[in-house]
Amino acid sequence: GNSVTQMEGPVTLSEEAFLTINCTYTATGYPSLFWYVQYPGEGLQLLLKATKADDKGSNKGFEATYRKETTSFHLEKGSVQVSDSAVYFCALTHKLGGTSYGKLTFGQGTILTVHP
Amino acid sequence: DGGITQSPKYLFRKEGQNVTLSCEQNLNHDAMYWYRQDPGQGLRLIYYSQIVNDFQKGDIAEGYSVSREKKESFPLTVTSAQKNPTAFYLCASTLGGQGELFFGEGSRLTVL
Repeated sequence: GNSVTQMEGPVTLSEEAFLTINCTYTATGYPSLFWYVQYPGEGLQLLLKATKADDKGSNKGFEATYRKETTSFHLEKGSVQVSDSAVYFCALTHKLGGTSYGKLTFGQGTILTVHP
Repeated sequence: DGGITQSPKYLFRKEGQNVTLSCEQNLNHDAMYWYRQDPGQGLRLIYYSQIVNDFQKGDIAEGYSVSREKKESFPLTVTSAQKNPTAFYLCASTLGGQGELFFGEGSRLTVL
């Protein structure tokens, strides 16, 4: 079956530091890959996505590249802010056919805390 | 504004009681999902529905029940058979064609 593995947290950084959160996956075929973010007390929001190998998703200064050869989708940001403190989830899904997608499989989440 | 509304935000329940969590969406999405979130365990799928009057069990359906009588609504009942119901419950929906989920703000259930 499908699975997603994220680096263990929590991750604690100072403001303006470089961020990497590792994500690797196990899946057949060519899944679509996502990063979701959950701010304290809220639901999840889509941060970025990539639907095929070598695609780069980007949003709000965050980036992740779909690496088929290493089955990875690591999240990076060049300079984090206190407001980036949240839980980050890597996820994948498969296209079933036509415009239909299967259910998402999530990683366990990585807690990020950024200090001033 | 379009979105997903979950209620209540906080709920306390005594052991042995059933409780129903509400999820309503006005996004015109066909598919809806319920996830459970526990610290350090990520999100686990409880039930999902891809069309009205149809739903499937997810990975941890035991002790839960759902209905999908309307496209906009997908309530989740946590029954007394659920051994460890204290958790944060998230409802989500998708347009299907993009694979991404839209989430509500969650309901936190505490069993006393």
